[in-house]
Amino acid sequence: SAVISQKPSRDICQRGTSLTIQCQVDSQVTMMFWYRQQPGQSLTLIATANQGSEATYESGFVIDKFPISRPNLTFSTLTVSNMSPEDSSIYLCSAYLMSRTDTQYFGPGTRLTVL
Amino acid sequence: DQQVKQNSPSLSVQEGRISILNCDYTNSMFDYFLWYKKYPAEGPTFLISISSIKDKNEDGRFTVFLNKSAKHLSLHIVPSQPGDSAVYFCAASARGGAGGTSYGKLTFGQGTILTVHP
Repeated sequence: SAVISQKPSRDICQRGTSLTIQCQVDSQVTMMFWYRQQPGQSLTLIATANQGSEATYESGFVIDKFPISRPNLTFSTLTVSNMSPEDSSIYLCSAYLMSRTDTQYFGPGTRLTVL
Repeated sequence: DQQVKQNSPSLSVQEGRISILNCDYTNSMFDYFLWYKKYPAEGPTFLISISSIKDKNEDGRFTVFLNKSAKHLSLHIVPSQPGDSAVYFCAASARGGAGGTSYGKLTFGQGTILTVHP
């Protein structure tokens, strides 16, 4: 398996501000993803973080709201921009390892509360 | 459109007995299925997976069964232990056939809360 860490683990933010979440993997990965889990809901894919190119967003998610960076094979960031209370969720990053390409591993999540 | 469904929000089982968690899917392109376990304040942890070329995969106390004609899969935990109490998510991906390596996106079900009583 792999160790995937996220920072911060939780945050409380004011409406209209932005928060950047960091995801670090301890080994090289192929694909990295960002998910959102709203209260009482399942995990929903936000986007695929592509190294060296723009992220690929799922329907209902846009780059202006959720800009993503992936500068190298082991690190990615997700920014939640111009936040509203509806953005209160757990945000999770995940990755496929180069050593095991059939399973996505997940980070511990970032619990975001927007007031 | 919920392509992966877990119709039971919760399941309560006595320690030592079998836990059976169910999952249905609608997308015929799905060819790889996974089960994850999630504790509060932690990310999902991979449990077991199955390719569409198989109908059963076993790993210790965990067995996953796949019925492609019914588009149904289930996770059996035998014997159940109190430490198994968690939320269980079924997930599916379209990897591009047997041996495919398309690193498919995962589509998750809503989750089932399993409680195992001592």
